[in-house]
Amino acid sequence: DVKVTQSSRYLVKRTGEKVFLECVQDMDHENMFWYRQDPGLGLRLIYFSYDVKMKEKGDIPEGYSVSREKKERFSLILESASTNQTSMYLCASSLYEYKPSTDTQYFGPGTRLTVL
Amino acid sequence: GQQVMQIPQYQHVQEGEDFTTYCNSSTTLSNIQWYKQRPGGHPVFLIQLVKSGEVKKQKRLTFQFGEAKKNSSLHITATQTTDVGTYFCAGFSGAGSYQLTFGKGTKLSVIP
Repeated sequence: DVKVTQSSRYLVKRTGEKVFLECVQDMDHENMFWYRQDPGLGLRLIYFSYDVKMKEKGDIPEGYSVSREKKERFSLILESASTNQTSMYLCASSLYEYKPSTDTQYFGPGTRLTVL
Repeated sequence: GQQVMQIPQYQHVQEGEDFTTYCNSSTTLSNIQWYKQRPGGHPVFLIQLVKSGEVKKQKRLTFQFGEAKKNSSLHITATQTTDVGTYFCAGFSGAGSYQLTFGKGTKLSVIP
């Protein structure tokens, strides 16, 4: 079974703090993703990475950066946390063979971040 | 960019009633996936549809992909309390695309 873990289930930070959210997958997947989930807005992609040290912006990258130094680990960084970044953050990974018919995403349990 | 619209946003049904959620894309999709998120949980992959007009069944769940590959539906027959959760559709726009575009989801409540 694919396992995607996230460093914290709940996190409380103050405005202006630098925040690191960590995600680790154990199935040697090529692709990793960071989403945020807000009521009524569904899942919105922040960043994704299709290889080590490679990253691509998703739909809402502003205020975030990412790091992928190792294949199994993908970090989301909030350089200066703001209250509008209070949200549920979900990490996902996928294998990506060059046939979209096989590339499903496996999600971690999520980190609920509150910025005060 | 690609948009995936999903309706309804919420649905309350009596246990035993049927339920359907619909998904429409602004562009043709190479495939569509469905995920379920239980309350307090994370999205879990249910199924993937690839072919035009494809229909797949998982017990009481029936998934359809439209002929034009721009819409899809999930139908649950005789809902049970275990069906409670939010159902998301998500589509790939084409080969080489890494990005799944998710619909906003349909939150299903089942009244016992």
